[in-house]
Amino acid sequence: DQQVKQNSPSLSVQEGRISILNCDYTNSMFDYFLWYKKYPAEGPTFLISISSIKDKNEDGRFTVFLNKSAKHLSLHIVPSQPGDSAVYFCAASAQGGGATNKLIFGTGTLLAVQP
Amino acid sequence: DAGITQSPRHKVTETGTPVTLRCHQTENHRYMYWYRQDPGHGLRLIHYSYGVKDTDKGEVSDGYSVSRSKTEDFLLTLESATSSQTSVYFCAISAEGSKNIQYFGAGTRLSVL
Repeated sequence: DQQVKQNSPSLSVQEGRISILNCDYTNSMFDYFLWYKKYPAEGPTFLISISSIKDKNEDGRFTVFLNKSAKHLSLHIVPSQPGDSAVYFCAASAQGGGATNKLIFGTGTLLAVQP
Repeated sequence: DAGITQSPRHKVTETGTPVTLRCHQTENHRYMYWYRQDPGHGLRLIHYSYGVKDTDKGEVSDGYSVSRSKTEDFLLTLESATSSQTSVYFCAISAEGSKNIQYFGAGTRLSVL
């Protein structure tokens, strides 16, 4: 049973436009959410995160929105650049799960930013 | 790569042979993890460690074992490799109180023929 879902395997946007990547979760115990970016032949790199006590977190061109009632989060990239082309993974964790800090990852969305 | 080195980076082996992958960190972080990445599955946790000699199973631990005899090293062993274990393996680390932010190594691509 997939607790974290990224229903769009791929997304294509034009350079300069907004990219919106979506993620849904089913476990109401999740209270911390992260986005990772992955280029081919490299490891995932941490991008941005949000705690469940917030509904928005912004870092430069990247903004993550959290809708707890809908169990949905999204990553907005504005403006999109060709270098943003990568696979984006959504991940979630439950702080109350003890000291193990386990993350549950979605299946990823491949973003292609067209010049 | 946040002071994380995975070795080897690539390996081809035959079914039934033992394989050990190594993860080495220079950050002195408490937590270490092994994931595998497969198409359609994202990243799935195999095993993790919360201290020297303290390890536990993750979501897909069957066929894998781990050991952590030093803070800096976390080994993943496939006792008898199978073709279903062909995958890309990632090691990750996180610090105490880091709000679950994990930092990943560059990965090991393993092919079991």
